[in-house]
Amino acid sequence: DTGVSQDPRHKITKRGQNVTFRCDPISEHNRLYWYRQTLGQGPEFLTYFQNEAQLEKSRLLSDRFSAERPKGSFSTLEIQRTEQGDSAMYLCASSPALDGEKLFFGSGTQLSVL
Amino acid sequence: KQEVTQIPAALSVPEGENLVLNCSFTDSAIYNLQWFRQDPGKGLTSLLLIQSSQREQTSGRLNASLDKSSGRSTLYIAASQPGDSATYLCAASTDSWGKLQFGAGTQVVVTP
Repeated sequence: DTGVSQDPRHKITKRGQNVTFRCDPISEHNRLYWYRQTLGQGPEFLTYFQNEAQLEKSRLLSDRFSAERPKGSFSTLEIQRTEQGDSAMYLCASSPALDGEKLFFGSGTQLSVL
Repeated sequence: KQEVTQIPAALSVPEGENLVLNCSFTDSAIYNLQWFRQDPGKGLTSLLLIQSSQREQTSGRLNASLDKSSGRSTLYIAASQPGDSATYLCAASTDSWGKLQFGAGTQVVVTP
């Protein structure tokens, strides 16, 4: 059990550029979640997957955001045409496919849009 | 919509004192409630999970209680240490899928 891994840890980009983040969940965890956290706030839910199926997307996830989880393993979160308001910590979490289980979070990707 | 509130936003105590952190939620139909710890610039570490059918959970110096009828959960940390300094977040889940609604957290400083 190596924990949830996120890459990169930090990303600085210019407004209008596209960025992509990667999350590797704990092996054999079927559920994968993306959250976004801004300074001084708790994380906000963005989307989650059961295996490769994306089951729910928050209204926070505008059409500039897309998440995938091909083959039900790692996941990517892409933001197109970044805006300064996208600056935040993007957190990935995973859990076993059992109801009511704990979520295990990665260390996050800190995005700064200049 | 479930709303989760944590008061106070910040707390400072001398080493050795017991910590009491509060969490309130508006929808009592929760599935479970989790407490997390977050160090600056880092991800979240799960501390305790309380199922809706449970009243409390304990792990070492940590004890969390749940009162659904009043919409409250409390995290107790006994005999605080400087290493307990961090932000503590509570999160409520209203379904079995694990989608969480977080509070804004309580930032704790334990002074030597």
